[in-house]
Amino acid sequence: GAGVSQSPSNKVTEKGKDVELRCDPISGHTALYWYRQRLGQGLEFLIYFQGNSAPDKSGLPSDRFSAERTGESVSTLTIQRTQQEDSAVYLCASSPTPWGEQYFGPGTRLTVT
Amino acid sequence: DAKTTQPPSMDCAEGRAANLPCNHSTISGNEYVYWYRQIHSQGPQYIIHGLKNNETNEMASLIITEDRKSSTLILPHATLRDTAVYYCIVRPSMDSNYQLIWGAGTKLIIKP
Repeated sequence: GAGVSQSPSNKVTEKGKDVELRCDPISGHTALYWYRQRLGQGLEFLIYFQGNSAPDKSGLPSDRFSAERTGESVSTLTIQRTQQEDSAVYLCASSPTPWGEQYFGPGTRLTVT
Repeated sequence: DAKTTQPPSMDCAEGRAANLPCNHSTISGNEYVYWYRQIHSQGPQYIIHGLKNNETNEMASLIITEDRKSSTLILPHATLRDTAVYYCIVRPSMDSNYQLIWGAGTKLIIKP
């Protein structure tokens, strides 16, 4: 079946602009996660959704970052007033249960110039 | 901080078994051991997980010591496509903390 998809695959933006990243999870997966991965480093947790509510936003690095989810489907991660340190790969994962194995999308590579 | 310790890198010959160790000496009774891998420029891929019994699936086997303080992921017949960074992660079974804490992993290089 279809896996997790993310769009765009690559995004180049100028410093100060807003960007919106999209994640389409596996159908029926109630849990959805966003991570950030800087070059050569491990994954940093950003936010977790159960359905369309976000019980854990503790990983969002600043108030420039926000995310929403529509029901148990698509999620968007928005970064306002982008900074160069926001350059990274943003990964989305979904899971059939909150504590189950996570299935990852291919990521969105964000470059802020 | 990650609750696991892994060697930074390992080599293995193609066709041989790759044995990747992980130490998790502070693991609690309700915490599972999960393994993921990340092939270059791709998103991580789930491999296997276990609580205290050894587990096997089509990708790998997971051996957990009796005291649960360490485990070994076994790729029985490594191929060049198994070259990746392998992450060992400990997470609770049911807990209010949903975060996976990712360490640096082990970079496994399969050599022809």
